[in-house]
Amino acid sequence: LAKTTQPISMDSYEGQEVNITCSHNNIATNDYITWYQQFPSQGPRFIIQGYKTKVTNEVASLFIPADRKSSTLSLPRVSLSDTAVYYCLVGGGANNLFFGTGTRLTVIP
Amino acid sequence: ETGVTQSPTHLIKTRGQQVTLRCSSQSGHNTVSWYQQALGQGPQFIFQYYREEENGRGNFPPRFSGLQFPNYSSELNVNALELDDSALYLCASSRTSGRDEQYFGPGTRLTVT
Repeated sequence: LAKTTQPISMDSYEGQEVNITCSHNNIATNDYITWYQQFPSQGPRFIIQGYKTKVTNEVASLFIPADRKSSTLSLPRVSLSDTAVYYCLVGGGANNLFFGTGTRLTVIP
Repeated sequence: ETGVTQSPTHLIKTRGQQVTLRCSSQSGHNTVSWYQQALGQGPQFIFQYYREEENGRGNFPPRFSGLQFPNYSSELNVNALELDDSALYLCASSRTSGRDEQYFGPGTRLTVT
């Protein structure tokens, strides 16, 4: 089961691009990488998922290098409402369900 | 709003009691996963149910048990409650048991005294 390592916290000014990196050295061939966002007293919310290279949707981009041992979530032009905890998950099927401690992002005005 | 509902919202129990938490999955989803989230921690995977069968389990003792019904709603049962069971219990549904996006409910806040 792949474990993940993320920074505990990050601060960013409003309007900046934020990059959160997750390390997953033991990722398996069939594992996907998924990121969730969680606000206080709410359940996590899916942000993006990828397997390799780059994935982009309307809220974020996910960069995965060729060795897949890390991934970077990129949030363009963050706003105060992006203040939350961000989790990186690695796995597949029922194993894609193990959250780490996450990265607490604080956006400063 | 994800369409996943949980009841009750809050619950207070005494150590040694039993509790049942309920979850209604999003329409069209046949898989439900349960998580325990202690204050300041990430969600911890308890187990997953796929088409009424347990499909995976995290590192939780047998006093944590579950059920999934034909309409894919689910229950989490915890026996012999301990103080450390105080947490937010989250339910998430997905279309299948694979790597599909999970839709989380708002959670049930359980306090054990």
